[in-house]
Order: sequence, then structure tokens, then C-alpha cells
Amino acid sequence: AQTVTQSQPEMSVQEAETVTLSCTYDTSENNYYLFWYKQPPSRQMILVIRQEAYKQQNATENRFSVNFQKAAKSFSLKISDSQLGDTAMYFCAFMKGYGGATNKLIFGTGTLLAVQP
Amino acid sequence: DTGVSQDPRHKITKRGQNVTFRCDPISEHNRLYWYRQTLGQGPEFLTYFQNEAQLEKSRLLSDRFSAERPKGSFSTLEIQRTEQGDSAMYLCASSLGGSGGTEAFFGQGTRLTVV
Repeated sequence: AQTVTQSQPEMSVQEAETVTLSCTYDTSENNYYLFWYKQPPSRQMILVIRQEAYKQQNATENRFSVNFQKAAKSFSLKISDSQLGDTAMYFCAFMKGYGGATNKLIFGTGTLLAVQP
Repeated sequence: DTGVSQDPRHKITKRGQNVTFRCDPISEHNRLYWYRQTLGQGPEFLTYFQNEAQLEKSRLLSDRFSAERPKGSFSTLEIQRTEQGDSAMYLCASSLGGSGGTEAFFGQGTRLTVV
């Protein structure tokens, strides 16, 4: 069974600063995908960034980037130039690779990020 | 609005009552998922539909829970004889089929409180 662990329940960062959220996972699969989802207060969850396990290059989306360490099973999210709108719960999630799989997501427990003005 | 919509947003019910939630996915999405999220936890998978076929159910989905997607469009999740432990946010998500790793789009959820 796959598990996802987020060891930082809460984090705080000053506006315009950089913050890194940690995530580790456990799987025996070789083909899989990793995601970071953002859940703002009282709003729906949205995808922040996605990483294919077979790609060595770390994914980047504007101010968001990941540090994917496959051997260590680590998948951290770096947010640069933090903005007040980044305040949200962030979930790390795992998905098995395609092959009749349901593409269901397995989530960590989340990290509540507060961006301070 | 072409996003995933869920109805109702909030539901308060007495223990022992039945409740039903509805999810309308993005129209072209053939995959639909239900998740449950309790306070301080990440969402947990409940069940999955590909078109109208329910292809996977979690062990979390006791026999009091039933889900349908009759025409491969909207879906309903019914909880019979609700218990206080059923209090949670119920999230619906949809995605396109095909290759793996496709983005799941989530609704705002239905928050259930059982009193």
C-alpha cells in the first residue's frame, strides 16, 4: 500500500519570502505521479504542480517548484516570492501510474501555510 | 461555470436519518471520484466511476453508503442511518480518462454534520 507523509502540520512565512513544504511517500511502484494540491479556506482544492516519476527534471510552475528525489522518496514544494493569496492548506498526493488503475489520489495530512504581511 | 459542482454545500442531519449528496462533474469528464475529508486529515478515497460503471470502492465505504452515476453524468452519494462518525466533508472530483496522471478537478464539497 502507498502512504504519503507530511510532517509539518503548520508553517508560516513572510510575504515575498521563500518557503519549502516537505513530503515523503512510500511505494513499491516504479511508475507513478506526484502532486501538490492547494485548498484555500472554504474553497475547492486546485492543482498546484505535478511530477511524473519517470522524469528526472523537477517540475516548475511560475513561483512553484518541486525537489523530487526518487531514491529518497521525497517530494518537497518550494514557493518563491510568497503572496498573501498563497495562504491555504497544501496537500501532497500520490497516484499510481496508468495500467488499468483508477487514478485515485492518496493524500497526505496536509500543511497549513500562513503567509504573513 | 463549467467546474465541478456539489449540492448541498452544507447538511445538518439527525443521527439515524438518510442523506443524499449530488455531484455534477465537468461535462466531458468520464471519471468521477468521491472522497471524504475529516478535520485535520487529507481526503480519503471512497469510490470511483468510469462513465456509469462503479469500478472501485474503498473499504471505508460501509454498506450504509451507496453511490450511483446512472447515465455517466451526475453522481449521487447516499448515506443511510447516519452516525456521528459520518460527519465530514464529502468531496467530488472528476477527470478525463486516458493516460495516467491526469488532473482531478474538485468541487467545493458537501459538509455533513450529524447531530
